[in-house]
Order: sequence, then structure tokens, then C-alpha cells
Amino acid sequence: ETGVTQTPRHLVMGMTNKKSLKCEQHLGHNAMYWYKQSAKKPLELMFVYNFKEQTENNSVPSRFSPECPNSSHLFLHLHTLQPEDSALYLCASSQGDAEAFFGQGTRLTVV
Amino acid sequence: GESVGLHLPTLSVQEGDNSIINCAYSNSASDYFIWYKQESGKGPQFIIDIRSNMDKRQGQRVTVLLNKTVKHLSLQIAATQPGDSAVYFCAAPPAAGGKLIFGQGTELSVKP
Repeated sequence: ETGVTQTPRHLVMGMTNKKSLKCEQHLGHNAMYWYKQSAKKPLELMFVYNFKEQTENNSVPSRFSPECPNSSHLFLHLHTLQPEDSALYLCASSQGDAEAFFGQGTRLTVV
Repeated sequence: GESVGLHLPTLSVQEGDNSIINCAYSNSASDYFIWYKQESGKGPQFIIDIRSNMDKRQGQRVTVLLNKTVKHLSLQIAATQPGDSAVYFCAAPPAAGGKLIFGQGTELSVKP
């Protein structure tokens, strides 16, 4: 248990669906992140939030929409995804630039 | 741009042997490096880190070596056990600050 909890663990959605991924951290960290992990590729940083403010958006398509209502919660809203968006989506948190603690991930399949 | 890369995508070792996983980085200004372990079905877990003012750091059964001259990083696992089977990532911050860049990972398999 890393102190970072992601739900759901698995998600199958159609290309016209709207769904949301949730992340919650119990570590008192001030930064939260979304990463995408595709097979045979390095982890790709998608979004960074510091003190609830988005500080990085790594050219992520608008069909991915993050939301950070407070320092402990992070959401990733999904709509009109493509099959190539199927991947493991990882949430992480850190205190400043210290090492990041990762959640278990949500395995997303777009059909 | 900056990159962090592992030398081998897979590594197979015999249980009880020592394992060495290598990583190269391109940004000579990087001052902090981290090794993560990712087991099947789980997120990456922090193993050990090292600052650029050190060339060696030891943990429990793990040692990280940093060679800044050739921009090379290695993770050594002593007496490798089946529970060490996982994908190992090295990570480093990019030159402009900001968040970690991850390598592609080395999948370590431990044969009984």
C-alpha cells in the first residue's frame, strides 16, 4: 500500500462513452500527476498539479480532461477516446520534487 | 531532448546470483536519479535514489552506482530472489527542472 489509491482498477469503455478515473492520496503531498503507460514504452507524463493548480500539460489531447478539486484528489475525465488510448493510467503524488509515490493504476481498454 | 535509457529490455538471472541493471542518461546537469520497481499489475515503487554528489549508495540488498563521467547509472541486486522479478525503471529530472523522465524499463526474470 503506497498511500495512493486509484479507482477503478479496470475499465472498458466504448469510443462514445464518458468516464472518469479517480485518484486519492493520503500522504499529505502537494503535487499530483497523471502518467500513461503503454506496452513497450516509457511512462509518459500527462499532467502535473501543484497545490491544486495545473502546472504542466504535456500536449495531451483534449479528450483527456484533468480535475484537481483539492490537494488529495485528482480526476481524469475521459470522453470520445480512441482504441490507441488503451493503456495503464497511473496516478502519483510527491512532496515537491521528492520521489513520486504511485498508485496501482487503472487498466483502460477502449473498444 | 533529454533522455534516459536502459541498456537491455530483458535480463534473466539465476536465483541467488547478483543482478546488474544499467541505465544511461543524456543530461549532465541532472542531479538526482531514482530507481523504481514495477511488479505485474502494480504501479512503480520507489527502490532507491542517489544525488549527483555521490557515486554509490547502498540499501537493503540493492546498490546504486553513478558514473557522472560517462553518464551511466546502475542498479545492483545482491542474491536475487524470485520476488525481485519485475520491470525496473531509472528516472531523472530534465534539464529545465520539472518532473521525472523515465527510461523504458528492464524486465528482470529470476529463474529458480
